[in-house]
Parts: sequence; C-alpha cells; structure tokens
Amino acid sequence: DGGITQSPKYLFRKEGQNVTLSCEQNLNHDAMYWYRQDPGQGLRLIYYSQIVNDFQKGDIAEGYSVSREKKESFPLTVTSAQKNPTAFYLCASSPGLSSYEQYFGPGTRLTVT
Amino acid sequence: QQQVKQSPQSLIVQKGGISIINCAYENTAFDYFPWYQQFPGKGPALLIAIRPDVSEKKEGRFTISFNKSAKQFSLHIMDSQPGDSATYFCAASRPSEYGNKLVFGAGTILRVKS
Repeated sequence: DGGITQSPKYLFRKEGQNVTLSCEQNLNHDAMYWYRQDPGQGLRLIYYSQIVNDFQKGDIAEGYSVSREKKESFPLTVTSAQKNPTAFYLCASSPGLSSYEQYFGPGTRLTVT
Repeated sequence: QQQVKQSPQSLIVQKGGISIINCAYENTAFDYFPWYQQFPGKGPALLIAIRPDVSEKKEGRFTISFNKSAKQFSLHIMDSQPGDSATYFCAASRPSEYGNKLVFGAGTILRVKS
C-alpha cells in the first residue's frame, strides 16, 4: 500500500521544546516537501528536498530544520526559535522536482502551549 | 506577499447547483495550475490541473477554465453534491533553480446543502 505517512496525527508540546515531525514515503519519489497550514492562509512552503543529503529553504524556513538522510524520510524539527509553532503540518512528495504533481500526507497537528 | 489570490473565502451552494471558485495570479512565469481538495483533518488531494496553453480542462463534474491574458483561472463543480463539501485550494507552479515549487491560494470552504 503505497503512500505518505506522517506521525503522529496530533502532537502536544510545551513552549521552548524542540519537536520532530515524521514523514515517510514508499512511492520512490525523489522530491519531498514540508508545508505549514494556518486557517485562512493556505499552505506555505517550509523546506524542500530534491535528493538525499540536499535540501532548500522555502518561504518560511525560520525556526525550522530538516534532514534528508534517506530517500524515504524527510523529518521536520520545529525548534524553540519558531515564534508561532502551533499549526497543521503537511508533508508532500513528488516524483522529482521537474515533476509538477505533489502528493500529500495526512498531516500532523502540532499544538504548543 | 500573496502571489495567488483566491475567492470567495467561503461558498454555500444547493445540491445540484454549480460551484465556482476563482483565482488570479501576477507572475507570468507560472506554468502549471492545479486545484486541490481537502477534507477536514486530511491532507490535500490533487483534483485537476491545467497548463497555460489550454483554455479549459474537464474531468467528470470538475472543469478548470483558464484565461491567460487576464491571468485568472477558475474551478467549476457541476451538479454539486454534499460529498463535495470541502476546502478547495488553487495553486500555481513557478520554476526555480531547484525545480518547480507550488504557491497556494488561501482556500475556499465549500458547503453543499442537501
């Protein structure tokens, strides 16, 4: 059963703590993306990666970090430097950055109090 | 800076009616325009997409109309059903040094009344 998995679905953290969100895909896609979704603002790109061990900042990368040690995995760390981390986080993948279609995972809702 | 403007923010349509959502863009470098459908608590799913060399694309009850000169495109949902109730996002792809990236509109919450 191919697809993108994100875990956990809900995550709660105290302010000042770093937290890592998981994203795994078994679609053999080269490119992976992280988006943040806030009510009324659509999806905003945080980071993206075309190949293993390489990634680029998106439009709102401040306060976030990523790694791409394996083709299948693209974890996102929300650091304590992110001023407003509570949001719905979406991971997506694409066959390659030359491909237009992106396929999304089910998302992780992060709440920081 | 919002590069893709989407309207309306919300829309209520009677069952069997036509739902119309509009988007406008400024960057003429955009070369791919998809629409995504998102149900509450789920990730967006690609619904239909169009390239700027085509003025219309139809897939079942869903149609994209594209006006290159006006830099506008719209989604039409014919015979709208309660199961179509969801949030719809338009997007546009812009080329970059590291490949194509999507820019999303703010979304439209559609409710189809039965």
